[in-house]
Amino acid sequence: KNQVEQSPQSLIILEGKNCTLQCNYTVSPFSNLRWYKQDTGRGPVSLTIMTFSENTKSNGRYTATLDADTKQSSLHITASQLSDSASYICVVSFTSGTYKYIFGTGTRLKVLA
Amino acid sequence: DAGVTQSPTHLIKTRGQQVTLRCSPKSGHDTVSWYQQALGQGPQFIFQYYEEEERQRGNFPDRFSGHQFPNYSSELNVNALLLGDSALYLCASRTTRLSTDTQYFGPGTRLTVL
Repeated sequence: KNQVEQSPQSLIILEGKNCTLQCNYTVSPFSNLRWYKQDTGRGPVSLTIMTFSENTKSNGRYTATLDADTKQSSLHITASQLSDSASYICVVSFTSGTYKYIFGTGTRLKVLA
Repeated sequence: DAGVTQSPTHLIKTRGQQVTLRCSPKSGHDTVSWYQQALGQGPQFIFQYYEEEERQRGNFPDRFSGHQFPNYSSELNVNALLLGDSALYLCASRTTRLSTDTQYFGPGTRLTVL
């Protein structure tokens, strides 16, 4: 069964600290993996995208890694800011005639001053 | 270049009523997908439209129906609303003309069923 699991479910950190969010997937055949940031009540915004051959991808203070062998990905946020408070969703896509997407349930991050 | 737009922003309905949500895709995009996102959950795929036809469908009942117009915009219709239909409804668009599956999401419509 194609699934995407994220951990932790929620996280609280102090401003300026780093954190790492995890994503494990059992999706086949794998096409790519994306991390989205979703502010409360808003649509998700793409942060990074990685294909099978990519190990890491950065977008400012966000760095995503991918281990296709173990089917794990992580999103590392450096020097967190209050504006990083949001849900972070891992999405894995695969092709089965057409593109299909499996969404994780997200990690809710709260950054405190 | 306009991104994905959705209307209305918020909507309140009562059980048994019908609702129509609207989505305009990002300029140049021809495929529209709809998602339901309950509070604290990830988006759940409802269906996808391309060339004015439903191409894929998630595990949603027939009360959920849709339409795509020649200008690629789309509507999501939900009949006989239930309390459990309260959620954020997201529209996402992409283009089939490029070798990418990148979806762009709209801001969503928050539906509350009382």
